[in-house]
Amino acid sequence: DAGVTQSPTHLIKTRGQQVTLRCSPKSGHDTVSWYQQALGQGPQFIFQYYEEEERQRGNFPDRFSGHQFPNYSSELNVNALLLGDSALYLCASSLDSTPFVGELFFGEGSRLTVL
Amino acid sequence: AQSVAQPEDQVNVAEGNPLTVKCTYSVSGNPYLFWYVQYPNRGLQFLLKYITGDNLVKGSYGFEAEFNKSQTSFHLKKPSALVSDSALYFCAVRDIVKAAGNKLTFGGGTRVLVKP
Repeated sequence: DAGVTQSPTHLIKTRGQQVTLRCSPKSGHDTVSWYQQALGQGPQFIFQYYEEEERQRGNFPDRFSGHQFPNYSSELNVNALLLGDSALYLCASSLDSTPFVGELFFGEGSRLTVL
Repeated sequence: AQSVAQPEDQVNVAEGNPLTVKCTYSVSGNPYLFWYVQYPNRGLQFLLKYITGDNLVKGSYGFEAEFNKSQTSFHLKKPSALVSDSALYFCAVRDIVKAAGNKLTFGGGTRVLVKP
């Protein structure tokens, strides 16, 4: 059973460019969340997708956008890259329930370096 | 708003000695609490969670954590640390209030170094 997979694992961009990161959730999971982990810090919530809609959003600018596909996979897009966007981007999946009492399953992350 | 504090940036312990990693939280309602571990250049691995019930929670790899509502704490413990436990540990909280969704708020992390 494959866990959460992310691609690419590493990438380097220059300021002003755009980047797309991809995530396939754990089998059976329908909810995908994205987190940004800057060096030496804890992960910060970016947004969450469920049923192809953004359900919840953290304190990130509109340069950060996402998408969820019918197969539950997801993309994170960042436009007009800044040096401060350099970080490890983590995707986490879960199976929606109310109340939600489960844990999130994380991928290995995509490390973005902005020069 | 929900928040988590991990007061120690690093914890050093000798192999075989007890290990404790501290965590305090703040939520408006009742908390769901989690511990995750991160090895170098890897994602986060789930260790254990507190949802309700017994205040002492047992998890993976011999770790356990104690929920203390009056002190708003959820400290991670291991009776006998191994060198392989050296990693970065994160405490996280989610408010069970519906509006909070299932977003996790993480602490800043505590680096654990276990010396042989």
